[in-house]
Amino acid sequence: DSGVTQTPKHLITATGQRVTLRCSPRSGDLSVYWYQQSLDQGLQFLIQYYNGEERAKGNILERFSAQQFPDLHSELNLSSLELGDSALYFCASSLGTGGYEQYFGPGTRLTVT
Amino acid sequence: QQQVKQSPQSLIVQKGGISIINCAYENTAFDYFPWYQQFPGKGPALLIAIRPDVSEKKEGRFTISFNKSAKQFSLHIMDSQPGDSATYFCAVRSTGFQKLVFGTGTRLLVSP
Repeated sequence: DSGVTQTPKHLITATGQRVTLRCSPRSGDLSVYWYQQSLDQGLQFLIQYYNGEERAKGNILERFSAQQFPDLHSELNLSSLELGDSALYFCASSLGTGGYEQYFGPGTRLTVT
Repeated sequence: QQQVKQSPQSLIVQKGGISIINCAYENTAFDYFPWYQQFPGKGPALLIAIRPDVSEKKEGRFTISFNKSAKQFSLHIMDSQPGDSATYFCAVRSTGFQKLVFGTGTRLLVSP
């Protein structure tokens, strides 16, 4: 158990809908990273927050957004969902901002029908 | 563009054998090279990592060998066990962008 929690574990929704994925980092970690894992694209970095501030952006679509709250939990919002958004979404956390020693949560499996 | 190439895509090893997974990277501006282990239905778990100032790091049955001049690093699993059957990902950290870029993964099966 990495200490990173994610909810929900599974999510099934229809195209065009909006969903919110939640992540709580390990105790003491200030950085949260979001990743998308799909069969054809592998594990892709989406976005990083450090202590409430956006620090790095990867291949995140404009339909997706994230934020980190004062209690350091983070939410990833996915809107106008398409079939191709079906994937596993992981968050990871680390103590610092540099991207080292990232610990992953169990993931949220999103299915868009 | 793919910055890290991982091979093989899949690997079958007998119990007790040595599993070797390789990664090659294309950019010299990387400073951290971790390996992650992922079981079905679980998140990737940090297994072992190395910085470029050392050529080898060992933790239990897991060893990273790092060749800076060849821009390659590999994971060796000694005395492989059926419980090691999982997908393994290498990654590199970009010094400029401070993010991890992952390889495509290697599915390891250790036969009893």
